[in-house]
Amino acid sequence: EIVLTQSPGTLSLSPGEGATLYCRASQSVTGNYLAWYQQKAGQPPRLLIYGASSRATGIPDRFSGSGSGTDFTLTISRLEPEDFVVYYCHQYDSIPLTFGQGTTVEFK
Amino acid sequence: QVQLVQSGAEVKRPGSSVKVSCKASGGTFHNHAISWVRQAPGQRLEWMGGIIPKLGTGDYAQNFQGRVAITADKSTGTAYMELSNLRSEDTAVYYCARGGLPPVHVDVWGKGTTVTVSS
Repeated sequence: EIVLTQSPGTLSLSPGEGATLYCRASQSVTGNYLAWYQQKAGQPPRLLIYGASSRATGIPDRFSGSGSGTDFTLTISRLEPEDFVVYYCHQYDSIPLTFGQGTTVEFK
Repeated sequence: QVQLVQSGAEVKRPGSSVKVSCKASGGTFHNHAISWVRQAPGQRLEWMGGIIPKLGTGDYAQNFQGRVAITADKSTGTAYMELSNLRSEDTAVYYCARGGLPPVHVDVWGKGTTVTVSS
């Protein structure tokens, strides 16, 4: 099983600042089959990034993904008020599919 | 954009079973897989398994082997997840999602079904 570890657990930032979220896999994620999701309270996750770096339809270009192998990054260039929620990374390379424990972006 | 419409909240006793449905708007899943992911309070998302309705094949997470059954009715475009021998730790929001079998990512999620297991 591929274990995904996200860091930091919580990011305290202000609107307009940039955010960098990390996701480390316990073994290589082949094919860069790594996605990022945003989840607001009481809602299902929303796909942001797939294939490590491809933005999903309708996602603003302030969201970008990068990385390969075991280390992946989600960057939010300029935080908007609606971005202060929880983010999960997810590997769909091998069964069982797994998710990270989440990073919360909170208001400083 | 396809929507996945899930059945309503359930309250169950320990040891019983629950069956949650997920219907695709338009009545068809086309060639997509449908998977089930749950989220217990304050916990990370947990993939349970998935099925390709067109083929009737799929897979399950080892953690749920023997307790979960994922099926699909192609004629109505409805997928089902049945979890048996429920325990309090199964209290969670259960999501159906499009995709979620390697190497296809989940791109569309249902709104979730809350299952509460309590005596």
